[in-house]
Amino acid sequence: DTAVSQTPKYLVTQMGNDKSIKCEQNLGHDTMYWYKQDSKKFLKIMFSYNNKELIINETVPNRFSPKSPDKAHLNLHINSLELGDSAVYFCASSRIAGGGEQYFGPGTRLTVT
Amino acid sequence: AQSVAQPEDQVNVAEGNPLTVKCTYSVSGNPYLFWYVQYPNRGLQFLLKYITGDNLVKGSYGFEAEFNKSQTSFHLKKPSALVSDSALYFCAVRVGFGAGANNLFFGTGTRLTVIP
Repeated sequence: DTAVSQTPKYLVTQMGNDKSIKCEQNLGHDTMYWYKQDSKKFLKIMFSYNNKELIINETVPNRFSPKSPDKAHLNLHINSLELGDSAVYFCASSRIAGGGEQYFGPGTRLTVT
Repeated sequence: AQSVAQPEDQVNVAEGNPLTVKCTYSVSGNPYLFWYVQYPNRGLQFLLKYITGDNLVKGSYGFEAEFNKSQTSFHLKKPSALVSDSALYFCAVRVGFGAGANNLFFGTGTRLTVIP
């Protein structure tokens, strides 16, 4: 069984569209994350979320919003897509206890044309 | 602010030779440090972490890392490199508190190439 899964794996869309990326973890973790990896492979945290608190990286545009229907899922919604949103997006999860390592999904490659 | 730096974009090593991938950190308080590996078109895989205790931490696939407080370093090492170790390696440090307690700040990555 895949520990952290994401769908879709590839997403090609036009500027201005709204899209969602789904993430599910079956590890029983209580915290989930979204990261963006740009073309230079630089990784940046976008959000972290448990059932009590959402932490948003202040540099993330408000066009991006996480939605968590339950502890095992954290979906990423993106409105009004821009060319600069093209990147690979990774979902991850961990236990909330300090020092818990994160487990990453396989990534979603988003291409905005 | 918590941060890590990986001074080398690329490291080349011959198969069978020891390898080192460098990481230095800047933190206030006690650091929580991590190493991850990314193979092409894959997500990141956890290798090892340092929280407290022995300065030499052993991890997956024969990798280890040495925490050096005086040099603020956390270099990744392996005694004998394999071609299959060729990948992108990321050092990371924990930042944040509360729900963000496990938020990680990643270094810029080091591409390791093991030459047959």
